[in-house]
Amino acid sequence: EVQLVESGGGLVKPGGSLRLSCAGSDFTFSTFSMNWVRQAPGKGLEWVSFINTRGSYIYYADSVKGRFTISRDNAKNSLYLQMNSLGAGDTAVYYCARESRKYNTSPGVLDLWGQGTLVTVSS
Amino acid sequence: DIQMTQSPSSLSVSVGDRVTITCQASQDIQKFLNWYQKKPGKAPKLLIYDASNVATGVSSRFSGSGSGTDFTFVISSLQPEDIATYYCQHYFSLPVFGPGTKVDIK
Repeated sequence: EVQLVESGGGLVKPGGSLRLSCAGSDFTFSTFSMNWVRQAPGKGLEWVSFINTRGSYIYYADSVKGRFTISRDNAKNSLYLQMNSLGAGDTAVYYCARESRKYNTSPGVLDLWGQGTLVTVSS
Repeated sequence: DIQMTQSPSSLSVSVGDRVTITCQASQDIQKFLNWYQKKPGKAPKLLIYDASNVATGVSSRFSGSGSGTDFTFVISSLQPEDIATYYCQHYFSLPVFGPGTKVDIK
């Protein structure tokens, strides 16, 4: 089954770090650009970051720039989000999402989503 | 930054009703506009891309229209499984989602 599965969420103290992972299966992961999108409790969707197939085009939302780092390992069909200097405002369910068009160099249409992983920042 | 607004923020409808949601961008985004469905505890689902194209496998009761700054999303005949929050999202520049429209049963 074509799917994305996130992992790595959990409870972290303010100022702490966490690394999220997203594993893709049953599609050619290396040919699709990927995104992270989050949803804080009771809030709407917020785009977080984008990486193209080779990691040569990377974009971040202003809210996470300088604190989060997106990366990927195509050999492992995996996407990552390293999150540092976490604050209460980063508490959210984090989704990885696939671009619909192969080899996109900028974020656009997100056609496949994982079920999400919950990150809670609290002391 | 381009801002997105949606209206209404919520609506209560009956099964079989026509549902119309509007989305407005703060500047011209041509047709770089998508619509997603989000149910609690579930992954978002792409419904409409590039303003008016129905995504693969999505029911034809969902449709979209518009260009520039004003866009419309329609559910022609609401079904119980359509109860969800609907989000527009532009990608003329870095993506921004609208605030969402929550649809529930009257």
